[in-house]
Amino acid sequence: DAGVTQSPTHLIKTRGQHVTLRCSPISGHKSVSWYQQVLGQGPQFIFQYYEKEERGRGNFPDRFSARQFPNYSSELNVNALLLGDSALYLCASSYQLGVVNQPQHFGDGTRLSIL
Amino acid sequence: AQTVTQSQPEMSVQEAETVTLSCTYDTSESDYYLFWYKQPPSRQMILVIRQEAYKQQNATENRFSVNFQKAAKSFSLKISDSQLGDAAMYFCAYRYGQNFVFGPGTRLSVLP
Repeated sequence: DAGVTQSPTHLIKTRGQHVTLRCSPISGHKSVSWYQQVLGQGPQFIFQYYEKEERGRGNFPDRFSARQFPNYSSELNVNALLLGDSALYLCASSYQLGVVNQPQHFGDGTRLSIL
Repeated sequence: AQTVTQSQPEMSVQEAETVTLSCTYDTSESDYYLFWYKQPPSRQMILVIRQEAYKQQNATENRFSVNFQKAAKSFSLKISDSQLGDAAMYFCAYRYGQNFVFGPGTRLSVLP
């Protein structure tokens, strides 16, 4: 079975632009989470979606938004890009909500560079 | 707020030797889960081991084991018989509700 897939692998944008990152979870997984990993740091939680609804949100500005589709894939959108948004964006999926011993399975990430 | 601290930014170990990576966390919850993830240069986060807070027995997965001290809020990872492929960033993570909190990571180098 395919793991979590993210696209694109790399992306270069300039300040003020908008970006959309995509994630397909493992088949059968209904929960998708997004993380931002700045170089040299651990991942920071941005959003969690389950059954197309936002179930958790980290401390990120409203420029960050996301959605989940009926097939459980997800998009992360970032508006008005800033230099500080340069990071590796990780998507993780898990089977269901509310089962806290489930690990999250991560994709390879999208490397976003802002010039 | 829940926080995870990894006090060792970098560690190194000789091949076939044993190394211990430290992790402490802060929480007021009684039921939670702890994880160690490995991130090689390929970037993908790979689950190494997990521990349920209500279990007193330390988790073990082959060469990887943890020393979980709930009262001290400590969760260290021991890697035995270190291999070159163990070289990576290691992240300690705490799960409460639906959110994961990650530590800043420890870069492990394995010397031949």
